[in-house]
Amino acid sequence: AQKVTQAQTEISVVEKEDVTLDCVYETRDTTYYLFWYKQPPSGELVFLIRRNSFDEQNEISGRYSWNFQKSTSSFNFTITASQVVDSAVYFCALSEDISNFGNEKLTFGTGTRLTIIP
Amino acid sequence: DAGVTQSPTHLIKTRGQQVTLRCSPKSGHDTVSWYQQALGQGPQFIFQYYEEEERQRGNFPDRFSGHQFPNYSSELNVNALLLGDSALYLCASSVNRVAAFFGQGTRLTVV
Repeated sequence: AQKVTQAQTEISVVEKEDVTLDCVYETRDTTYYLFWYKQPPSGELVFLIRRNSFDEQNEISGRYSWNFQKSTSSFNFTITASQVVDSAVYFCALSEDISNFGNEKLTFGTGTRLTIIP
Repeated sequence: DAGVTQSPTHLIKTRGQQVTLRCSPKSGHDTVSWYQQALGQGPQFIFQYYEEEERQRGNFPDRFSGHQFPNYSSELNVNALLLGDSALYLCASSVNRVAAFFGQGTRLTVV
């Protein structure tokens, strides 16, 4: 069975500090996909990134970066120079490869509540 | 281009009642998935609809059922409501295995 663990329940940092959110996953699939979503107080899950299991290149998008390490089954997310608007709950998710049709069924972690202190 | 829209945004029901939640997918998306998010937890997959059929189902009882219409919109029905059904219900739409886009959710309270 698939499982995603986000050990950090809550993190608080002062604005402009860097912060890393940890994500560890378990799966028996050789092909799978990893995601990060942001959930602000409004409730909507905002898609941030999707990576497949064959692409271990780190990715940077503005102040966001992701470190995928298959050897440790981790997919960590770093926010550089944090801002108050980054305050939200962040979820890591995993899906299996569905070859025949349609789209991924996501298994989510329990989330990390990030608070940026002005 | 409207994103995923859900209605209603909030709902209060009594134990034993039935409820229907609605979802309109993002334009061009043909697959709709439903998730239940209890307070302080991550979303849990309920089921997924594609071509008007239930294609995948999570570990939820038969009290949870759904439907997808020809225009790809979807409904989630829950019968015989329990207090434990109180949660945020999220709808996600996608196409061609592109990452799912979520709506703002329906917060259901069962009293």
